[in-house]
Amino acid sequence: EPEVTQTPSHQVTQMGQEVILRCVPISNHLYFYWYRQILGQKVEFLVSFYNNEISEKSEIFDDQFSVERPDGSNFTLKIRSTKLEDSAMYFCATRQGTEAFFGQGTRLTVV
Amino acid sequence: GIQVEQSPPDLILQEGANSTLRCNFSDSVNNLQWFHQNPWGQLINLFYIPSGTKQNGRLSATTVATERYSLLYISSSQTTDSGVYFCAVDTNSGYALNFGKGTSLLVTP
Repeated sequence: EPEVTQTPSHQVTQMGQEVILRCVPISNHLYFYWYRQILGQKVEFLVSFYNNEISEKSEIFDDQFSVERPDGSNFTLKIRSTKLEDSAMYFCATRQGTEAFFGQGTRLTVV
Repeated sequence: GIQVEQSPPDLILQEGANSTLRCNFSDSVNNLQWFHQNPWGQLINLFYIPSGTKQNGRLSATTVATERYSLLYISSSQTTDSGVYFCAVDTNSGYALNFGKGTSLLVTP
């Protein structure tokens, strides 16, 4: 069964450093999403991406964040200068029709 | 935006017991999904169920779209069912999912 793959599964970074989280979507899917879950809280939407551009973003997705599909297969989330409060689980999701498929997540720890 | 409310927030069961988790939503939905978040933080897709009833082993779900709620049934619970169960909805294809706050389930031996 096709699945969404995220790498790395866990990343520890120092405050102020840049991180790139990677996702390989299911091949024929057209809509891509990043979500974030701070420990103990609900899953929150960050950004959606369709036709090589951002289609929607939440107020969380500020200038610190960016997304791109650098090579037509990977879908990346870049956090430019990480803060302690960026520590969270980050999920990539993709969809073709109405059902969304989630990756296993990347646990980001900022120290 | 659409509001998603889940109940109960916390639930403790003994192994073998049955349970019902509820998800209420404030508007018509295009998509409704149930997820189980395991102790490692992974989101496991349980059901895609914008309407109707589905069953998968000991789990089943029913969504009554006209009354804006969905129910997740867990029968003969096992300790491995422990974790957080999330309901998530969206109102249009391409839109992001809105998650509820989840029901935290603990199944004790």
